[in-house]
Amino acid sequence: AQKVTQAQTEISVVEKEDVTLDCVYETRDTTYYLFWYKQPPSGELVFLIRRNSFDEQNEISGRYSWNFQKSTSSFNFTITASQVVDSAVYFCALSEWTQGGSEKLVFGKGTKLTVNP
Amino acid sequence: DSGVTQTPKHLITATGQRVTLRCSPRSGDLSVYWYQQSLDQGLQFLIQYYNGEERAKGNILERFSAQQFPDLHSELNLSSLELGDSALYFCASSVTLSADTQYFGPGTRLTVL
Repeated sequence: AQKVTQAQTEISVVEKEDVTLDCVYETRDTTYYLFWYKQPPSGELVFLIRRNSFDEQNEISGRYSWNFQKSTSSFNFTITASQVVDSAVYFCALSEWTQGGSEKLVFGKGTKLTVNP
Repeated sequence: DSGVTQTPKHLITATGQRVTLRCSPRSGDLSVYWYQQSLDQGLQFLIQYYNGEERAKGNILERFSAQQFPDLHSELNLSSLELGDSALYFCASSVTLSADTQYFGPGTRLTVL
C-alpha cells in the first residue's frame, strides 16, 4: 500500500526565514500523482500543487517551490521569506489506484508550521 | 473558496444517534469523495462516488453509508454514533474518475457527546 511520511511534526520559524517541509513516499505504481494541501487554522483544506510522477521538473509559484526527486521518493516543499499567514498544517498526499479504476488520496500526518513575527 | 459546499459546518450529537452530512460538489465535477480527519488516524479516505455510482471504498465503518444523488450532491450517513466518531469530515470533488485534482470543502465538524 502507498505510504506518505512527513517526518517533521512541527516547525517554528521567524518571519522572512526560508523553510522546507519534507515529504517521502512509498508506492509500487509507475504512474502516480503527488499533492500538497494547506490547512490553515480555520480548518479547510486548500489545494497547492499536483505533480505527475513523470514530471520531475521543479516548480515555483511565487514564494512557494517544490522539489520532486523520484530517485529518493521525495517531494519537498519550500516557502521562501515566510510570512505569518503561512502558519498552517501542510499535508503531502499521494494518489493510490483503486479496484474501481479511480484514485484516492493517501495523506501524510502533516507538518504544523508556525511563523512568528 | 474551492466551490465545494458542505453542511452543516458543526454538528453536536449524542452517542447512539444518527446524522447526515451533506456535500455539493463544484459545478461540473462528477466525482465526490469523503474523508475523515481525526487526531489519532489523521486524514483517511472513506468512500468515493462517480456520477451516482460507488467506485471506491476505504476505511469506512459498516455504521456509515453514503450516496450520490442525480443532481450529484452527496450525503454521508453516520449511525449508532460513538465517541470515537468525533472528527472533521471532508467532502472533495473532482471532474473525472481519476488522474485529477480533488478540491475539498470546508468540512463538517462532528462532536459526539
